[in-house]
Amino acid sequence: AQSVAQPEDQVNVAEGNPLTVKCTYSVSGNPYLFWYVQYPNRGLQFLLKYITGDNLVKGSYGFEAEFNKSQTSFHLKKPSALVSDSALYFCAVRESGGSYIPTFGRGTSLIVHP
Amino acid sequence: GAVVSQHPSWVICKSGTSVKIECRSLDFQATTMFWYRQFPKQSLMLMATSNEGSKATYEQGVEKDKFLINHASLTLSTLTVTSAHPEDSSFYICSAREEPSGVSGEQFFGPGTRLTVL
Repeated sequence: AQSVAQPEDQVNVAEGNPLTVKCTYSVSGNPYLFWYVQYPNRGLQFLLKYITGDNLVKGSYGFEAEFNKSQTSFHLKKPSALVSDSALYFCAVRESGGSYIPTFGRGTSLIVHP
Repeated sequence: GAVVSQHPSWVICKSGTSVKIECRSLDFQATTMFWYRQFPKQSLMLMATSNEGSKATYEQGVEKDKFLINHASLTLSTLTVTSAHPEDSSFYICSAREEPSGVSGEQFFGPGTRLTVL
């Protein structure tokens, strides 16, 4: 079975400050991990993914995420937040070699204050 | 990246009518498409997996007779909400997995359809 947890419903950060959106996962084997962003009344946009290789993954719009196997985490980060980063962020996981249907977290609302 | 479109982007209908939502992969072939439902400030709920040329696979608790899914071609899947009622009002999102999927098989999402049933 696969599952993913986003422990924070909302994250507030001031513009220019670093941001972190947390995600932890559980799979039986090796994970494929994804981050998506959703703006109001829009579908999800792909940000980045971890499949294998370097634990630090760089994605779109200056976002990056670090895969930590021992902590089963894949936190999303950005060094300097922008007001336009305010959106809903979803972490997703699926097990390599398992079902190709990922499991999504419940989402974290990121609010960047001017 | 791959593009998925949905039509319409929003629809308002009267209770008892049926509504069809189209999902198209514009620049790639998608053997498999997914239909999600999203309630306000909540995560995505997978409704069904749509397979080209075969019957859709519905998640537990989703009424297949109410939410009719047809995957007519490698680029088109449709979701028809039959005899819609106000409780069917929601944001419906489709996604497609690019084929061949490669290692990760990441999904590409449509922009969503806002359904309001009066």
